[in-house]
Amino acid sequence: DAKTTQPPSMDCAEGRAANLPCNHSTISGNEYVYWYRQIHSQGPQYIIHGLKNNETNEMASLIITEDRKSSTLILPHATLRDTAVYYCIVRVNFGNEKLTFGTGTRLTIIP
Amino acid sequence: AAGVIQSPRHLIKEKRETATLKCYPIPRHDTVYWYQQGPGQDPQFLISFYEKMQSDKGSIPDRFSAQQFSDYHSELNMSSLELGDSALYFCASSDLSGQAMTSTDTQYFGPGTRLTVL
Repeated sequence: DAKTTQPPSMDCAEGRAANLPCNHSTISGNEYVYWYRQIHSQGPQYIIHGLKNNETNEMASLIITEDRKSSTLILPHATLRDTAVYYCIVRVNFGNEKLTFGTGTRLTIIP
Repeated sequence: AAGVIQSPRHLIKEKRETATLKCYPIPRHDTVYWYQQGPGQDPQFLISFYEKMQSDKGSIPDRFSAQQFSDYHSELNMSSLELGDSALYFCASSDLSGQAMTSTDTQYFGPGTRLTVL
């Protein structure tokens, strides 16, 4: 079973920051938080991952709470192309561990 | 940058036929994963290979088999196809040894193969 809880859907206005929350209260010390998104039947796209420090790349920022029980993915300036299902997944790094997808958050960017 | 390649992109088969799906990982990636996504469902893990050896197995039917070859490409063989096998099949690859120019042990997905069983 998935170890994360996400809201089923969210809307965000185009050009605004999209903040997607994820709860992972049972996360283990060696588990990372990964974010992927899937744009309508395309292959899931890797966005970002982190262990306990906040991370930023060209796509997004990941904010992980100090107790690591929750995190937020931030898309700083959402565009229509960011409309997708976003999956938050906890996973041990270095071990070929599979990804266990939950139901994700369906993010809709509103023009 | 090179991505994961899957072929064919679309496949239509009749019940009880066989199908072979192919996956070509990102260069220098040593691990391949297969996932199945049924209509309206989330991707589910089927099986994975590291350095040509099976490393993990999910809810893969006995009618399905897979292998990873010496060039690291992988094939998913599906026999006695059933209507319920109609789905998107995704392959992902990762680099555990740190030799590729991608994030170590992060899975990168291909575009998928859409299998329709009639």
